[in-house]
Amino acid sequence: RKEVEQDPGPFNVPEGATVAFNCTYSNSASQSFFWYRQDCRKEPKLLMSVYSSGNEDGRFTAQLNRASQYISLLIRDSKLSDSATYLCVVNLYQKVTFGTGTKLQVIP
Amino acid sequence: DGGITQSPKYLFRKEGQNVTLSCEQNLNHDAMYWYRQDPGQGLRLIYYSQIVNDFQKGDIAEGYSVSREKKESFPLTVTSAQKNPTAFYLCASTSDRGADTQYFGPGTRLTVL
Repeated sequence: RKEVEQDPGPFNVPEGATVAFNCTYSNSASQSFFWYRQDCRKEPKLLMSVYSSGNEDGRFTAQLNRASQYISLLIRDSKLSDSATYLCVVNLYQKVTFGTGTKLQVIP
Repeated sequence: DGGITQSPKYLFRKEGQNVTLSCEQNLNHDAMYWYRQDPGQGLRLIYYSQIVNDFQKGDIAEGYSVSREKKESFPLTVTSAQKNPTAFYLCASTSDRGADTQYFGPGTRLTVL
């Protein structure tokens, strides 16, 4: 089993739709979790941290489910500018592991 | 403005040649990292450095070398021993190893002909 797994997509959604991605991790001792956004041929940029209590930033909501070992990202009212690849990141002590990313395409 | 710079953005080299990728940061960060990204794959760690004059191998260090002579600089050399060097190379830094947020440079796209 991979340390961090994501559905590669692509998720093709219309503007205004709500879309959710999940990311599973294998090590229950993992300590911190993040979502990064990566545009085509660009560097990843931090989107938000993920906490058990949930974390909301505008249209974006991130959640951690430790019991089932997954994190989620919910995007409401999708915009064309949300089209990108979303990477989940899991930290365990000093080891940082990136998922392969989920591609989102928002269509007019 | 503080940040990480990588140069050049695109690099072409002939097979068998060594090439050095530059990474400079003015964030006063202690830890720096090199990743490689291939199409359809996640970022894979090549090398990391927690402090000056110290660095550790990551998951795919074979065929690569690094140095950390200055806090702000962490150059990566892709040697001729690296079998598949064509990839997107990303440099990142954090305030300390294991710190939460990684800040990335814009990347260097290396193509070996």
